[in-house]
Amino acid sequence: NAGVMQNPRHLVRRRGQEARLRCSPVKGHSHVYWYRQLPEEGLKFMVYLQKENIIDESGMPKERFSAEFPKEGPSILRIQQVVRGDSAAYFCASSPEVTQPQHFGDGTRLSIL
Amino acid sequence: DQQVKQNSPSLSVQEGRISILNCDYTNSMFDYFLWYKKYPAEGPTFLISISSIKDKNEDGRFTVFLNKSAKHLSLHIVPSQPGDSAVYFCAAGDMEYGNKLVFGAGTILRVKS
Repeated sequence: NAGVMQNPRHLVRRRGQEARLRCSPVKGHSHVYWYRQLPEEGLKFMVYLQKENIIDESGMPKERFSAEFPKEGPSILRIQQVVRGDSAAYFCASSPEVTQPQHFGDGTRLSIL
Repeated sequence: DQQVKQNSPSLSVQEGRISILNCDYTNSMFDYFLWYKKYPAEGPTFLISISSIKDKNEDGRFTVFLNKSAKHLSLHIVPSQPGDSAVYFCAAGDMEYGNKLVFGAGTILRVKS
């Protein structure tokens, strides 16, 4: 019974490159959330998607960041033209219903050179 | 604006004794509260949750108490075990708005044997 799977676990990019983070939710979970954790801080909400629809992207920067959750395949968080400040751990969570607890993957640690 | 606060950065407890972790929130719209445990380089692991219609929820060694009038919740771990040593995050959400979670900054729990 696989949990939330995120890959890659570690990603290194140079400034100006693109970063793609993938998240496969628990089978049967249609609600996906992305969070970011900066060093020494708690997790901060970025975006909430429910199968092919972005429901709430209020925590996501307006520029360079985008997210999708296609009908088939994993959810993708895409960061274009990365900058040093994008260095963080990015966590994906999923739940079967909004009223159920969110279960997290082990995150992708993004480092920008 | 920190809507969820964990005022104790760390807590040290002797094995077998009770661990009490505290959390305060400011947004009265929150109606769902959760505790997560996190080890380094891993994602948060769901421990226990409580909805605002209850004031207590128990699961094995873990009990969460909610005081809505004080906007305060606490996690009790009894008895504490060395394997409980981790960072504990309090999180709150509003189910009407997709339950995007707001996290506290975390409390490091050390259980000494």
